Amino acid sequence: QVQLQESGPGLVKPSQTLSLTCTVSGGSISSGGYYWSWIRQHPGKGLEWIGYIYYSGSTYYNPSLKSRVTISVDTSKNQFSLKLSSVTAADTAVYYCARESEMIVFTWGQGTLVTVSS
Amino acid sequence: QSALTQPPSVSGSPGQSVTISCTGTSSDVGSYNRVSWYQQPPGTAPKLMIYEVSNRPSGVPDRFSGSKSGNTASLTISGLQAEDEADYYCSSYTSSSTPVVFGGGTKLTVL
Repeated sequence: QVQLQESGPGLVKPSQTLSLTCTVSGGSISSGGYYWSWIRQHPGKGLEWIGYIYYSGSTYYNPSLKSRVTISVDTSKNQFSLKLSSVTAADTAVYYCARESEMIVFTWGQGTLVTVSS
Repeated sequence: QSALTQPPSVSGSPGQSVTISCTGTSSDVGSYNRVSWYQQPPGTAPKLMIYEVSNRPSGVPDRFSGSKSGNTASLTISGLQAEDEADYYCSSYTSSSTPVVFGGGTKLTVL
């Protein structure tokens, strides 16, 4: 059974870059058929899709975040990562990594809270 | 403001049935059968309950069912149990610039 686990700093200063990594276990990112995504949830709010990457490296980002987002993949480590630049308090959220296909999120990580504060 | 509209809250007593609606447009729910429903108990990650309007992943009880009519999708939970108390989110593929949109979520309270 595929499992995902987010890791990274829980506190980021304004204007800096948020960096998170998702480690995949129980399956290979390179096996294909799935996209590897990042989704966030602001405190007490709904879900916002950030973007995804395929094992080949092709990406698709939410246009509202596109100028600040980079998602990358390291198939040798079975990991994929999120970088969000120039963060503000509005980027404070729980960040989930996920496995999806046809825009259906089949598997979610447990989520990690990232707070943007000085 | 979320792209898909859900009621903020619904409630029901154990054993009863409840239905949660998810209203979109002809650019998403109305044109595609890629509607999903997720359950999120407090403090936990979402869990897929329904995909492609009415399909249940393995392990999801058949008390959970989905349907769609026009621009509105629905999740029905029959035989309510205390463990069903959670937030529920719908999502849909969309032809807009973002390939997927979510609803604002509905809090289900089991009385």
